[in-house]
Amino acid sequence: DIQMTQSPSSVSASVGDRVTITCRASQDIRDWLAWYQQKPGKAPKLLIYTASSLQSGVPSRFSGSGSGTDFTLTISSLQPEDFATYYCQQANTFPYTFGQGTKLEIK
Amino acid sequence: EVQLVQSRAEVKKPGESLKISCKASGYKFTNYWIGWVRQMPGKGLEWMGIIYPGDSDTRYSPSFQGQVTISADKSISTAYLQWSSLKASDTAMYYCARSDRVTAAADYWGQGTLVTVSS
Repeated sequence: DIQMTQSPSSVSASVGDRVTITCRASQDIRDWLAWYQQKPGKAPKLLIYTASSLQSGVPSRFSGSGSGTDFTLTISSLQPEDFATYYCQQANTFPYTFGQGTKLEIK
Repeated sequence: EVQLVQSRAEVKKPGESLKISCKASGYKFTNYWIGWVRQMPGKGLEWMGIIYPGDSDTRYSPSFQGQVTISADKSISTAYLQWSSLKASDTAMYYCARSDRVTAAADYWGQGTLVTVSS
């Protein structure tokens, strides 16, 4: 299986901050990477697909980059509703594995 | 409007069987994958497996192969996840999610089905 490693596991930030979360794959996944946001008690929500494509309806402050094994999710200016847990997932090879998650907390 | 509506929460005893469902609407069921994701209490997302209802192509994570069965009924646009003998460690929230063949990302999710296994 392809292992996905996110860092950091948790981060504290303030409204208006710029935040970057990284995701590393254990082997080349080209650009087959998605990012999801999950709030407590809710289903995950797709933010980014194929590494850098913004899902319809997702605010433009979210962006993704990377290819191969190293990827980033950036939130340019944190809003109160962005405090949540974020997951990356590779979709290059079955099984489609998730990272362990990054919890974004209010400072 | 695309919707995935999952069956209600279940409370079961160890050793019992269970089949939970995910009913799709608002799109052509046979043209998209449906995957299942486990989330144990307080933990992260785990990809369990996926089915393409168009031809019943089914793939499992090695972690779940042999532990669960994924199936789909095209006639009623419904996917299923089933266990033949539940364990306490199967206690979790289970989500279904739709993925298309182009992006491979899960763009629509069900609301989740909470399965509790306790004696």
